[in-house]
Amino acid sequence: QVQLVESGGGVVQPGRSLRLSCAASGFPFSSYAMQWVRQAPGKGLEWVAVISEDGSSKYYADSVKGRFTISRDNSKKMMSLQMTSLRPDDTAMYYCAKDQGRYGAGSYFDRWGQGTLVTVSS
Amino acid sequence: DIVVTQSPDSLAVSLGERATINCSSSQSVLFSSNNKNYLSWYQQKPRQPPKLLIYWASTRESGVPDRFSGSGSGTEFTLAISSLQAEDAAVYYCQQHYRTPPWTFGQGTKVEIK
Repeated sequence: QVQLVESGGGVVQPGRSLRLSCAASGFPFSSYAMQWVRQAPGKGLEWVAVISEDGSSKYYADSVKGRFTISRDNSKKMMSLQMTSLRPDDTAMYYCAKDQGRYGAGSYFDRWGQGTLVTVSS
Repeated sequence: DIVVTQSPDSLAVSLGERATINCSSSQSVLFSSNNKNYLSWYQQKPRQPPKLLIYWASTRESGVPDRFSGSGSGTEFTLAISSLQAEDAAVYYCQQHYRTPPWTFGQGTKVEIK
């Protein structure tokens, strides 16, 4: 069965960096686009970033553009989110989500990981 | 960007009764070439990740009970729970996946048991 396991969250000071990872299993990872979605405490869902199945296309929410970088290693079935210049309003649970298809197919998210919590605080 | 708005923000429904959540988008999410509405519904229970319930506005994900149904087209959509069960207490989100990026979600509707 599909499994997505996030790691790398923690408490970090404003302005510092953090790298999140998502380990995938149970499906042909290299055939699917992948997503990051976050949820601030007590708030709704906010899309963060997408990466195409081959890693050639990447897009970001305006709120993280220029600070976050999404990447993937299909040989290791891993996706990452490098977060720099972190701000208190980046505090959230970060979910890795599997796209239902290839990038550009008007896709929805059919599987989600359990999430990893990032807290940005001095 | 397409703005997605849900109503109400919360509702309390008795066990066995019908619950209805509305979702509207600022632009049509109907793709005329395939006649599909690019609108999905997710359920999120406390301390759990979201779970896909419905996609293409009305197609139930595998394993989702048939008491959940989605309807609507263009800019107006509805998620209905025909006979509310205790395990249906959750927050429900709609999401447009028509004009992306960005993918945009509604603000969520909390369903409680009365």
